[in-house]
Amino acid sequence: GAGVSQTPSNKVTEKGKYVELRCDPISGHTALYWYRQSLGQGPEFLIYFQGTGAADDSGLPNDRFFAVRPEGSVSTLKIQRTERGDSAVYLCASSLTPGAYNEQFFGPGTRLTVL
Amino acid sequence: AQRVTQPEKLLSVFKGAPVELKCNYSYSGSPELFWYVQYSRQRLQLLLRHISRESIKGFTADLNKGETSFHLKKPFAQEEDSAMYYCALRDDKIIFGKGTRLHILP
Repeated sequence: GAGVSQTPSNKVTEKGKYVELRCDPISGHTALYWYRQSLGQGPEFLIYFQGTGAADDSGLPNDRFFAVRPEGSVSTLKIQRTERGDSAVYLCASSLTPGAYNEQFFGPGTRLTVL
Repeated sequence: AQRVTQPEKLLSVFKGAPVELKCNYSYSGSPELFWYVQYSRQRLQLLLRHISRESIKGFTADLNKGETSFHLKKPFAQEEDSAMYYCALRDDKIIFGKGTRLHILP
């Protein structure tokens, strides 16, 4: 079946603009995760959803970042007033349920460049 | 604090030579540890997890709680092993190390 998909694959924006990044998880996966990978770093956790609710948003760097998953499937990561430091690859992953025993499957990522 | 440390950014190994990618962790409790791999132009994928005690593509990793290590090993490197390798710690979210780029020399 289809894996996790993310759109767009690349996004270039100007400082101060608003962007939305979309994630389509594997069908039936209840847990969805967002990570951010800056150049030369490993992925860093941002937020995860169990169903429609954010179960842990402790990784969101500040209140410019927000994510939703209104129907428990597709998720959108929203970044307001983008800054050059937001430039990174944003990864989405999904798993059947939360918990360490369930493999997280990763999408290809969205490369965000803030000029 | 939970932390994963991969001390080597780049490891170059000749084809046929043994490989060891180092990983140390800091975690209060019993950790769930993993190795992820990202081949060129492919997405991040799970390589192996310590609870499975399995060998994948010839790689193994043993959890050493005394040394808080989870080093990845392979006795004979192959060219197709060239990739980025991330050691990771997980409860619900995953905590990744910074990664080691493994370059297999012909």
